[in-house]
Amino acid sequence: AQKITQTQPGMFVQEKEAVTLDCTYDTSDQSYGLFWYKQPSSGEMIFLIYQGSYDEQNATEGRYSLNFQKARKSANLVISASQLGDSAMYFCAMRDAGNMLTFGGGTRLMVKP
Amino acid sequence: GAGVSQSPSNKVTEKGKDVELRCDPISGHTALYWYRQRLGQGLEFLIYFQGNSAPDKSGLPSDRFSAERTGESVSTLTIQRTQQEDSAVYLCASDSWEDRAIQYFGAGTRLSVL
Repeated sequence: AQKITQTQPGMFVQEKEAVTLDCTYDTSDQSYGLFWYKQPSSGEMIFLIYQGSYDEQNATEGRYSLNFQKARKSANLVISASQLGDSAMYFCAMRDAGNMLTFGGGTRLMVKP
Repeated sequence: GAGVSQSPSNKVTEKGKDVELRCDPISGHTALYWYRQRLGQGLEFLIYFQGNSAPDKSGLPSDRFSAERTGESVSTLTIQRTQQEDSAVYLCASDSWEDRAIQYFGAGTRLSVL
């Protein structure tokens, strides 16, 4: 069964607007971590934001915030004030009991000028 | 400090040849991971090293794949008798529980098997 689901293969957003990238996950563990990574065309995987399952507040890192809804098992990434440099693939990932990351299929974000 | 370093950045090989990929983790990171990313897809876990514990090899796709790590330093991923389906980007990551176990990735090795 899919552990991480990203339902949006591609998204467009207008420069300076906010965008939400969806991620749902499935685990029976009580302790887990959720991550978002950005992968530009250069191929590197850039860590953006982390949310622990016991964290009561949604994580924020600059223009990135994670909308964590534990009961719904969703961990959506919100990017505010989009910039042209935000155009990239975005991957949601989860670490549960096994320590390794399980990744979703990714969402390609394209920022329009 | 320096990030995760991988070499070579690109490798082209002929079907049936063996290849070795190298990963140098962030200094002080006890955990090291190898992942594979096929074109247009997400990352697949291959193998995980934690300190001196036995590695978690549960993601290795076949016995042609193996990896070693010396202590908490460099790791090599070896693919024997390469096949065309092995063509992918191989990414290495390392982490430390002192930093929320956030995995930091190298730039990857792009392997092309002709």
